[in-house]
Amino acid sequence: EPEVTQTPSHQVTQMGQEVILRCVPISNHLYFYWYRQILGQKVEFLVSFYNNEISEKSEIFDDQFSVERPDGSNFTLKIRSTKLEDSAMYFCASRLTGQSEAFFGQGTRLTVV
Amino acid sequence: AQRVTQPEKLLSVFKGAPVELKCNYSYSGSPELFWYVQYSRQRLQLLLRHISRESIKGFTADLNKGETSFHLKKPFAQEEDSAMYYCALRRDNYGQNFVFGPGTRLSVLP
Repeated sequence: EPEVTQTPSHQVTQMGQEVILRCVPISNHLYFYWYRQILGQKVEFLVSFYNNEISEKSEIFDDQFSVERPDGSNFTLKIRSTKLEDSAMYFCASRLTGQSEAFFGQGTRLTVV
Repeated sequence: AQRVTQPEKLLSVFKGAPVELKCNYSYSGSPELFWYVQYSRQRLQLLLRHISRESIKGFTADLNKGETSFHLKKPFAQEEDSAMYYCALRRDNYGQNFVFGPGTRLSVLP
């Protein structure tokens, strides 16, 4: 069964550094999402992406964040100048056109030290 | 703004007992409601969506628009049901993102 895959599974970075979280959505899906979950808190929407552009973003998704689909398979989340409070589990998800279900990756745990 | 609430952080029941995980939402339009489950060390998986009116792993959920609720129920809990359960809302067919509730950890005791 096709799955959304995310790499790395765990990333440790120093405060102020830039990180790129990678996702490979399911191949025929066209809607992509990033969510995050700070430890002990709820899953929060960051951004959705369709047709090579951001279709929706939350207040969390400020200028520190950017997304890109650099090729036909990858969907990346870049976090510039990381802060301690960016430490969280980051989930990528994808959805097929016409279907309401979103399929989630296993997540990347980002730890900013 | 859309909002999803799940009043219980933790729910413990004994095996074989009925279980109900509560979910309420606020949204003025016609939302789609979902239940996602996350078993230990696994990814979020869709359990149910209200539009399909199906029963998965013995779980059912009915959308009550009058009470703005979408409670998840199972008549006889199993130990393997122990997991985090998230209620989620997606705004009508044109909405892009999912709004998640805070989650309820279900613990089914032997």
